[in-house]
Amino acid sequence: QQQVKQSPQSLIVQKGGISIINCAYENTAFDYFPWYQQFPGKGPALLIAIRPDVSEKKEGRFTISFNKSAKQFSLHIMDSQPGDSATYFCAASPAGNQFYFGTGTSLTVIP
Amino acid sequence: ETGVTQSPTHLIKTRGQQVTLRCSSQSGHNTVSWYQQALGQGPQFIFRYYREEENGRGNFPPRFSGLQFPNYSSELNVNALELDDSALYLCASSLYINEKLFFGSGTQLSVL
Repeated sequence: QQQVKQSPQSLIVQKGGISIINCAYENTAFDYFPWYQQFPGKGPALLIAIRPDVSEKKEGRFTISFNKSAKQFSLHIMDSQPGDSATYFCAASPAGNQFYFGTGTSLTVIP
Repeated sequence: ETGVTQSPTHLIKTRGQQVTLRCSSQSGHNTVSWYQQALGQGPQFIFRYYREEENGRGNFPPRFSGLQFPNYSSELNVNALELDDSALYLCASSLYINEKLFFGSGTQLSVL
């Protein structure tokens, strides 16, 4: 059973546009929600993370929106650039336990 | 400060063989986790070591085993390899349990 459901599977965005990736979870014990970026041949790299006591966190062009009641969180990439083309994974973890990853979204930003 | 390094980068084995993958943690990190990433999927948690003790395990059979050494480097051992074990194996270190994970580039294992 997939603990974290991620959509869409793939996404194509024009340069300068907004990329939006969504994730949903069921386990209310999750208390840490990171997003990872992975380029081909590399391991995932932490992009941004949020805890459920806030509804939004912004770092540069990357924003996480968090809806605790709906058990959903999303990644917004503003002013998307070709260099953002990568696979993005959401993840969730309950305190002191393992990380559960979504199935990934392949983002392509067209120049 | 050095990042997480894994060796080897690629490995080809045949079914039934045994394999050992190695990981050096990021400097100062005392927790190491291992993940299996099948093609087109997200990483799946195998197990985690904290101060040389196994501290959590995912849904993987006992033929997946590990070690963490006093310098916090780690090994993943897989016995009796199966075709479905073909995947990218990722090591991630963190300063403490359930803190930010820093991943290595992984070992691509192919089982023929």
